[in-house]
Amino acid sequence: DGGITQSPKYLFRKEGQNVTLSCEQNLNHDAMYWYRQDPGQGLRLIYYSQIVNDFQKGDIAEGYSVSREKKESFPLTVTSAQKNPTAFYLCASTAGNYGYTFGSGTRLTVV
Amino acid sequence: AQKVTQAQTEISVVEKEDVTLDCVYETRDTTYYLFWYKQPPSGELVFLIRRNSFDEQNEISGRYSWNFQKSTSSFNFTITASQVVDSAVYFCARGGSNYKLTFGKGTLLTVNP
Repeated sequence: DGGITQSPKYLFRKEGQNVTLSCEQNLNHDAMYWYRQDPGQGLRLIYYSQIVNDFQKGDIAEGYSVSREKKESFPLTVTSAQKNPTAFYLCASTAGNYGYTFGSGTRLTVV
Repeated sequence: AQKVTQAQTEISVVEKEDVTLDCVYETRDTTYYLFWYKQPPSGELVFLIRRNSFDEQNEISGRYSWNFQKSTSSFNFTITASQVVDSAVYFCARGGSNYKLTFGKGTLLTVNP
């Protein structure tokens, strides 16, 4: 079955560490997205990519970086510059405005 | 920024009551798309419906119905005869020409037995 796989499900980060969240899709979708969810804040767009080797900043890109070397993969790195990284991170993909498929999320906690 | 507003932060109802979740959107696009997603406690977003801006027909799917009114920029969602399994956070979202989704802040619905 086609879908999006996010890993790990839970991630713990120490202060000053960079961590990378994985997002892989086998839907042959061109566009991929990273969203951050905080309680009461809804989902906010971090980065998105509409084609391979190209990506754009979303509304809250500071402290994050991404790459899109393959169509199937869109990893997100949370850098030490992100001062408040504890949140739920959701990856999504779409072939257009016809429907967005979401992964099951990664819950990141700073320890 | 073109916002999506879900004014109801939390709603609590008793099972079998009808409940309407409100959504108001802003857009400068002529063509746009509106979505509703359900987020159960597990966290994954479940797609419920997509409407495009040219189709203002209301839609019914089982106990779910949606009322799209361009004149008031609203896309409200009604659950008829609510059930405990409907308890979740519900998000309204808008997509435009650049395929980015803008979400509302969500409405937490609690259905009590």
